[in-house]
Amino acid sequence: DAGVIQSPRHEVTEMGQEVTLRCKPISGHNSLFWYRQTMMRGLELLIYFNNNVPIDDSGMPEDRFSAKMPNASFSTLKIQPSEPRDSAVYFCASSFYGTGRTEAFFGQGTRLTVV
Amino acid sequence: GQQVMQIPQYQHVQEGEDFTTYCNSSTTLSNIQWYKQRPGGHPVFLIQLVKSGEVKKQKRLTFQFGEAKKNSSLHITATQTTDVGTYFCAGDNAGNNRKLIWGLGTSLAVNP
Repeated sequence: DAGVIQSPRHEVTEMGQEVTLRCKPISGHNSLFWYRQTMMRGLELLIYFNNNVPIDDSGMPEDRFSAKMPNASFSTLKIQPSEPRDSAVYFCASSFYGTGRTEAFFGQGTRLTVV
Repeated sequence: GQQVMQIPQYQHVQEGEDFTTYCNSSTTLSNIQWYKQRPGGHPVFLIQLVKSGEVKKQKRLTFQFGEAKKNSSLHITATQTTDVGTYFCAGDNAGNNRKLIWGLGTSLAVNP
């Protein structure tokens, strides 16, 4: 398996524009996480899906952020409209939550810059 | 809410010195995981500890899980420049919607 695949790797956009980040989890994993990482706040969990269903979105900053997981192999994180304070690295991670090890496998991340 | 505190935030060492980072949870954990993130990279899983008092070793890295399953530590013996990065602990509370609660990480710099 190629691991968790995120696209794009880098995104530069102007304030007010819509941004869509994409994630393909590892095949067979039943949990998917979107994280945001900044120097100031560290690694923050935005939303967590289990079996394609959003379980916990308490970390989503505000209504400008939305996430979907239409099927087990694809998820998106959308920011509309984007603001400069949204600039960060966004990671998608997947895991298999069952018995035994439950570690998260991270994608390479999308570095978002909003100017 | 549940919190995981990690100290120190930063650590500079000379190559060959030892390094330890500590993780403390406000609640009892079902397991704790450790990850390493190299500069410019993404977090990579190192290990998972499940049992009270558990100690695991990976070459120069020693991981411990406290008896009360609320604290953990990672100790690196004789650091090398390849150890540079940020080390995160993440606590798993099975009752907390099964999401990991992350510490803020300890950034390790190693002077050659």
